[in-house]
Amino acid sequence: DAGITQSPRHKVTETGTPVTLRCHQTENHRYMYWYRQDPGHGLRLIHYSYGVKDTDKGEVSDGYSVSRSKTEDFLLTLESATSSQTSVYFCAISGSPGTEAFFGQGTRLTVV
Amino acid sequence: TQLLEQSPQFLSIQEGENLTVYCNSSSVFSSLQWYRQEPGEGPVLLVTVVTGGEVKKLKRLTFQFGDARKDSSLHITAAQPGDTGLYLCAGYSGSARQLTFGSGTQLTVLP
Repeated sequence: DAGITQSPRHKVTETGTPVTLRCHQTENHRYMYWYRQDPGHGLRLIHYSYGVKDTDKGEVSDGYSVSRSKTEDFLLTLESATSSQTSVYFCAISGSPGTEAFFGQGTRLTVV
Repeated sequence: TQLLEQSPQFLSIQEGENLTVYCNSSSVFSSLQWYRQEPGEGPVLLVTVVTGGEVKKLKRLTFQFGDARKDSSLHITAAQPGDTGLYLCAGYSGSARQLTFGSGTQLTVLP
């Protein structure tokens, strides 16, 4: 199994509070991705990174920011959580675009 | 935004039956992947197809990439309860450094 760890695995937070999710990899893969998964929508890309300090937006980036200060860590921040951000968040890594993506086990976030 | 539409969204069949899941787009993809996801886990890659018209077989699973590289299908022969899961297609185009996922097909195989 690819070494990819998400933390926390579960979180309940209140509307308006900041939340940071962490993705840690031990594979030294260049590309890292944050997806959210909601019923009927499959996986939708939030942000991705193609190197340290190199990030770009995905299709549902509003309300989210990311940072990657080290190869192994990719952080996703919800600056002010809203109920619409209740979802399951997955981190993925890959050596290059189009190659196999390895996923973490997901973080279930509930915003109340 | 490149969209991938999967059909059907839900499929419930009896053990031993055959089934086909479709993944369609109006966009051309350099490659297309199929993933399977079980509850509480992240998706796991089943196959990658890269050439138009390509057919790949993985035991009872047959994957096909359309000639125009806009669509793909997954056929399962003699489905088993262990095939139960969410099947996701994902397309990659050279112009975007990201995978675009379909909405998924939830397959349930009843014993």
